[in-house]
Formats: sequence, structure tokens, C-alpha cells
Amino acid sequence: SQQGEEDPQALSIQEGENATMNCSYKTSINNLQWYRQNSGRGLVHLILIRSNEREKHSGRLRVTLDTSKKSSSLLITASRAADTASYFCATDRVESGGSYIPTFGRGTSLIVHP
Amino acid sequence: ETGVTQTPRHLVMGMTNKKSLKCEQHLGHNAMYWYKQSAKKPLELMFVYSLEERVENNSVPSRFSPECPNSSHLFLHLHTLQPEDSALYLCASSQDPGIEEKLFFGSGTQLSVL
Repeated sequence: SQQGEEDPQALSIQEGENATMNCSYKTSINNLQWYRQNSGRGLVHLILIRSNEREKHSGRLRVTLDTSKKSSSLLITASRAADTASYFCATDRVESGGSYIPTFGRGTSLIVHP
Repeated sequence: ETGVTQTPRHLVMGMTNKKSLKCEQHLGHNAMYWYKQSAKKPLELMFVYSLEERVENNSVPSRFSPECPNSSHLFLHLHTLQPEDSALYLCASSQDPGIEEKLFFGSGTQLSVL
């Protein structure tokens, strides 16, 4: 299927450390997005990277995209306890009507210990 | 807040009950989505509406019935559900179902079917 798969499923680190999460997908994409979900809440959009981009930054977030390997990574630098959440990648999927629907994986659960 | 409001936040229902989930967006978006989130599974896309017309019905059982009376409101009508339908139901909206559209999610309805 088109959906991305995040790795690892769970990650536990200390405050101040960097956190790296990976996403792999199977077919070509137009873009890839990363979302964050706090426990019991909805997802919040973090960053979008286009298929012709290799790296993108937003604050402490750094996203890379390697289309030859069909993979992306999300790096959170100098992590904080407030970064504790689940992180999802979403790839676009073309529907028969021409719509592009973001398709999500299972997510990576990140715990940052104070 | 994301501008997408879901009610109720929590719902417990028996298998013979009929209930409805409500979603309202205040963002002026044209597309609205229902996703199902179960533990240890990827987010499952259920329905997509664009300008009040359904553009995606992802092989969802008929016991789930969506309704989109206008571009700001989306309902999910539930009847004769099964215990395996217990999950977090997330509503989202986007400007259009197009490339590079980011989704804005509500906080979800946590549904328990007894």
C-alpha cells in the first residue's frame, strides 16, 4: 500500500538529546508530511517536504527525504519533555477522482524524560 | 485550537444503539475527512467530502453512515456497531483535497462499543 511506515515504533530519550524517526514508503510521491499527536488529541501538521526537496528545517525540526530509498527522517534537536507525543508521516495517494489524500502510518511514540 | 471541533469527546454505546458524531470546522475549508484510529494500527481513512460531495468511501461497513449538509459540518451516524469499532474517530479538514494540502484535525471522539 501507499502508506508510510514509521520506525522505530517507540523511542525513549533524555531531555536535551536528539530524536530521529524514520518513515519508509512504497510508491512514488508528490510530497511527504509529518504530523504530531499528543495523547488523546488530534494530529497537528509539522512540516511538508516536496519530492524535489532533500532537506527542510523548521525551528528544532529537520526533515530529510531520499526518494531513491523511498524514505524520510524527522530529527528533533535538543528535545524537551513537551516533545513527548506520537509522530506520523503521511504520503499522498491519488484517488480515482484526482484528489490527493494523505495516508498515514502507525506512528512513532516518543517519550522525552525530564 | 485547530479550528476543527468534534463532539462528543467521549461516547459509550451499546451494540443496538444509534448515535451520531459531529464535526464542525471554522476555517472556510472545502474538504472534510473522517479517519479511524485504533491502537497499533495506521490511521484508516473512512470518508472524504469535497464541497459536500463524497469523493472517497474507503470500503467502510454500512453501519457507518456519513452526512455532509454543508462545507462546515460533517456527521458520522452510527448504528448496530460492533466492539471492534471502538476507536478514536478523528475529523479533519483541508482547503481542498489537492496536492500539498495539510490537514487540520479535531481532538477526536473516543468511542467505546459495549
